[in-house]
Order: sequence, then C-alpha cells, then structure tokens
Amino acid sequence: AQSVAQPEDQVNVAEGNPLTVKCTYSVSGNPYLFWYVQYPNRGLQFLLKYITGDNLVKGSYGFEAEFNKSQTSFHLKKPSALVSDSALYFCAVRDTKSARQLTFGSGTQLTVLP
Amino acid sequence: GAGVSQTPSNKVTEKGKYVELRCDPISGHTALYWYRQSLGQGPEFLIYFQGTGAADDSGLPNDRFFAVRPEGSVSTLKIQRTERGDSAVYLCASSLTSGTYNEQFFGPGTRLTVL
Repeated sequence: AQSVAQPEDQVNVAEGNPLTVKCTYSVSGNPYLFWYVQYPNRGLQFLLKYITGDNLVKGSYGFEAEFNKSQTSFHLKKPSALVSDSALYFCAVRDTKSARQLTFGSGTQLTVLP
Repeated sequence: GAGVSQTPSNKVTEKGKYVELRCDPISGHTALYWYRQSLGQGPEFLIYFQGTGAADDSGLPNDRFFAVRPEGSVSTLKIQRTERGDSAVYLCASSLTSGTYNEQFFGPGTRLTVL
C-alpha cells in the first residue's frame, strides 16, 4: 500500500520570503514522487518529480523539492515566494513495485501575502 | 499542443439518473486515468487504461461506475443510478505510457452535482 501525508492544511508566507510545503510518504518499494499545483477552477498542473539520482529536484516556476529517504519526506520549496504562487498544492506518490496510479495527499493551501 | 480536455465542464443531474463524462487525452498518450476529487480532498484513483483495456479498476467504488476506451483514445466514464454521494469533480489524466516514471497530465475536470 502507498500513502502520502501533508501535515499542514494551510501555509501562509510573506512575499519574498522562502516557502516550504511539507510532504511525507509511505511505500513498500521505492517511491516515485510528484508535486502538482491546482488553481481555482483549473486542473492539476505538474510541477516536478523525483525518480532517482540527485535528491534536490528542480521544477517549474522556480520550485524545487528535496527527497529525503531516511525521513521519507519530499518537501516542496521556493527561495522567494510570489503572490501568484498562492494555490492548492498536492504531493503524490507511486510505488515502483506495483502501482500505476498516483496516491495524493489531502493538499496544502498556500497563501502568499503581499 | 492541446492538453487533456473533458466535457462537460459541469453536469447537474437528479438522483437516480444516468450520466456520461468524456475525456479526450493528449494525442499519442497511451495511458489514461480517471480520478475523483471530493471537496477539500486530494484526487482518488478510480480506473486506468493502457490502450483500450482497463488495466486496473480497483478504485471504482461499486458496480454503478463503469468506464470504456474503445479505440484507445477518448474515454467515457459512466455512472448509473446516480446518488448524492457521487457529487464531486471527476478528473481525467493521461501519460505517454503507464511507466511509473511518467508524469500524468490532468484535464480541468467535470464537476458533477447530483440533486
């Protein structure tokens, strides 16, 4: 079985400050990890993924994520937040042993304050 | 190029009616997925197709739900005898193949409301 936890329903950060959105996962095999962003009345947009290799993954719009195997975490980060980054963020995992579908976390609402 | 499209964008129906939701994946993508997103939650897997066949339908909640993809492109999710609990946003996604490293590209969703 695979699962994802996003412990924070809401994250607020001031514009220009660094942001972190947390994600932890559980899989029986090796994980493939993904971050998606959802704007109001829009579909999910792919941000970045971790497959293998370098633990720091860079993605769209200046976002990056750090894979930490010992802590089973995949936190999303950005050095300097923009008001336009305000949206709903979802972490997702696939178990390389068995699953083809993604298992999503419950989402974190990010609000960047001007 | 064109992304994943879904029609209709909104569907309002009465309890007990039958509905069909359509998904048109990105051209050339062989894998297609259906998810359901309830208010305040992340998407939950329903079914996925590799080509024309349903490779995994373990997420379908019961036998009122059925999906087809007869020509390996467009897919239709069918819900019989709708119930108020079926109200949700139904998301479709496609990927180049079903390989686990491929990211899925999502459509805008169909918001289903059962009165």
